[in-house]
Amino acid sequence: EVQLLDSGGGLVQPGGSLRLSCAASGFTFINYGMSWVRQAPGKGLEWVSGISGSGGMTYYADSVKGRFTVSRDNSKNTLYLQVNSLRAEDTALYYCAKSPDSGYPQFFDSWGQGTLVTVSS
Amino acid sequence: IVLTQSPGTLSLSPGERATLSCRASQSVPNTYLAWYQQKPGQAPRLLIYGTSGRANGIPDRFSGSGSGTDFTLTISRLEPEDSAVYYCQQYGSSLRTFGQGTKLEIK
Repeated sequence: EVQLLDSGGGLVQPGGSLRLSCAASGFTFINYGMSWVRQAPGKGLEWVSGISGSGGMTYYADSVKGRFTVSRDNSKNTLYLQVNSLRAEDTALYYCAKSPDSGYPQFFDSWGQGTLVTVSS
Repeated sequence: IVLTQSPGTLSLSPGERATLSCRASQSVPNTYLAWYQQKPGQAPRLLIYGTSGRANGIPDRFSGSGSGTDFTLTISRLEPEDSAVYYCQQYGSSLRTFGQGTKLEIK
């Protein structure tokens, strides 16, 4: 059974940083692209970033480019999102999501439970 | 690619058919469009991929269609548990995008 466990969220001041993690199990991690998708309170879904299975391809939404960095450690079956220069509008529940193949993520067939990032002074 | 979903809210009775629309600002390459269902307090669940392919375990009451810029999710024979927010998502461009969602209420 595929399991994705998101962690690392918390309360941070504007301009601060966090590293989000997603621990994967139940599948061969390196064989699948992964993404981060966020959802602000009471709002819709926003794709944030994606990474291929090997880690060689990464993309970012314009809203986070230059501030967020996605990476993965295939030896630890873990996906990361380093979030820097945080703004109030980055406040959201951050989900990691698995794609159906190893390439650049397309659609998302499994999701974590989310980790909440709150940016406030 | 900007995705616009309509209507914003849909209120129907059990047994009826729901038709949800997703319109793209430009043609979605290869009909690379997916649909998700999200219930309160839960993560989204994949329903449809590639415009019309049903994900594992999704009942055949859920069907997708469309091409170019206009896509539709149809839910036939509505059941109370279909009450949720439904999102479309395109993966035809390198920057993936979601629609803003349609809330489906079952009376």
